[in-house]
Amino acid sequence: EIVLTQSPATLSLSPGERATLSCRASQSVSSSLAWYQQKPGQAPRLVMYDASNRATGIPVRFSGSGSGTDFTLTISSLEPEDFAVYYCQQRSTRPLTFGGGTKVEI
Amino acid sequence: EVQLVESGGGLVKPGESLRLSCAASGFTFSNAWMTWVRQAPGKGLEWLGCIKSKSDGETAEYAAPVKGRFFISRDDSKNTLFLQMNSLKTEDTAVYYCSTTYYYAAGRVDWGQGTLVTVSS
Repeated sequence: EIVLTQSPATLSLSPGERATLSCRASQSVSSSLAWYQQKPGQAPRLVMYDASNRATGIPVRFSGSGSGTDFTLTISSLEPEDFAVYYCQQRSTRPLTFGGGTKVEI
Repeated sequence: EVQLVESGGGLVKPGESLRLSCAASGFTFSNAWMTWVRQAPGKGLEWLGCIKSKSDGETAEYAAPVKGRFFISRDDSKNTLFLQMNSLKTEDTAVYYCSTTYYYAAGRVDWGQGTLVTVSS
C-alpha cells in the first residue's frame, strides 16, 4: 500500500501567518491527492482535491500544489477557523490511504 | 442535500460481531461508490474499504487490517450501506464514518456524522 508521510506533525502559528503543510507519498500518486480538514468532534471536510483544486466552499486562501510524490497545502493567511487537523489522502491506488495528519494550532 | 446517517454503534466484547448501517439520501445511491472510514480515539483517519455501484460490479475492497473480518454490502432498494464487523478486537474501537465521492468531480466528499464502536471486555 502507498504510505503518506505528513510533516510537520504540529504547526504552531498565529492568525494572519502563512501555513505550509507537506505530504510525501511512498510512490507516485500522480495528482490523485486530496486534503481534508477536521475539527474536534466533526467529520472531515474536503479542502483540496486532485492536488490543486479547491473544494466547494473553500476560501481562496487555501491552495494546493504538487504531483508524483510531493505535495503541499498552503494557507496564505490563517483565520481563527483554520486551526484544525489536516490530513492528506491518496486516491490513486486502493487501498486508499491517509497521512498521519498535521495539527495547525495557535 | 446529501445526508448520510450511520447507526448501529455501541459497546461489544472482543470476539463479538456488530453491523453498522448508513442511510443515504439526496443523491442517486445506486450509482454511488460508498466508503467506510474509521478514527480511533485521538488518532488519525483510516480507510477501511469501499463498495462499487451495481453497474460497476458491486464488488468491495478492503484495507489489510480488516480484510476477512469486515464485510461491506449495500441495499440499493433501501439506499443503505452496511458494514458487518466480525471477530472484533479492542483495537477496532473507533468512530466509524460512511462517505461518498458521488460529487467528487464537483469538489465534494460527503460524510456521515459517525457512530462510535467500543470493543471492551
